[in-house]
Amino acid sequence: DAGVTQSPTHLIKTRGQQVTLRCSPKSGHDTVSWYQQALGQGPQFIFQYYEEEERQRGNFPDRFSGHQFPNYSSELNVNALLLGDSALYLCASSFGGSGTQYFGPGTRLLVL
Amino acid sequence: TQLLEQSPQFLSIQEGENLTVYCNSSSVFSSLQWYRQEPGEGPVLLVTVVTGGEVKKLKRLTFQFGDARKDSSLHITAAQPGDTGLYLCAGAGGTSYGKLTFGQGTILTVHP
Repeated sequence: DAGVTQSPTHLIKTRGQQVTLRCSPKSGHDTVSWYQQALGQGPQFIFQYYEEEERQRGNFPDRFSGHQFPNYSSELNVNALLLGDSALYLCASSFGGSGTQYFGPGTRLLVL
Repeated sequence: TQLLEQSPQFLSIQEGENLTVYCNSSSVFSSLQWYRQEPGEGPVLLVTVVTGGEVKKLKRLTFQFGDARKDSSLHITAAQPGDTGLYLCAGAGGTSYGKLTFGQGTILTVHP
């Protein structure tokens, strides 16, 4: 039973560029949530997708957008990258949106 | 805005010692989860507590959810070097359905 998978594992971009991160949920899960984790901090909620729609959003600017596909996988897009966007981006999946969330290994993004 | 205050932020102890990590909030959560995270990896779920006053044990780890479902604690007995890592508490539900609100984390180092 595959857990949550994310790609790529690492990414280096320059300011102003755009990036797309991908996530495949755990088998049987239909909800994907995205989090940003700065070094030494707890993860911060970006948004959650359920039934291909953004159901809830944290305090992040519109530069952060996402999508969920019919197979429940998801993408996180960040436009006009800033140095402060450098972080570990975590995807978590759950069933029905309110269930226990299981995390993937994350994508480490470095913006230069 | 729901907040979780986690303490202490850092803990450095010798093998065999006991320790307790606290997680406090002024908000009520429908459930609270504890995760352990290794550097460069995603958080791994340790336990979910859902009932006020609930106590769960996982080998040398004891988790407690406060009666009012606003606070929780993690107690480790006879810590071992393998317990080293970042411990995170995360609240779910209440006014933030589907979103996990994380504490700042506790970095635990157990010296042999």
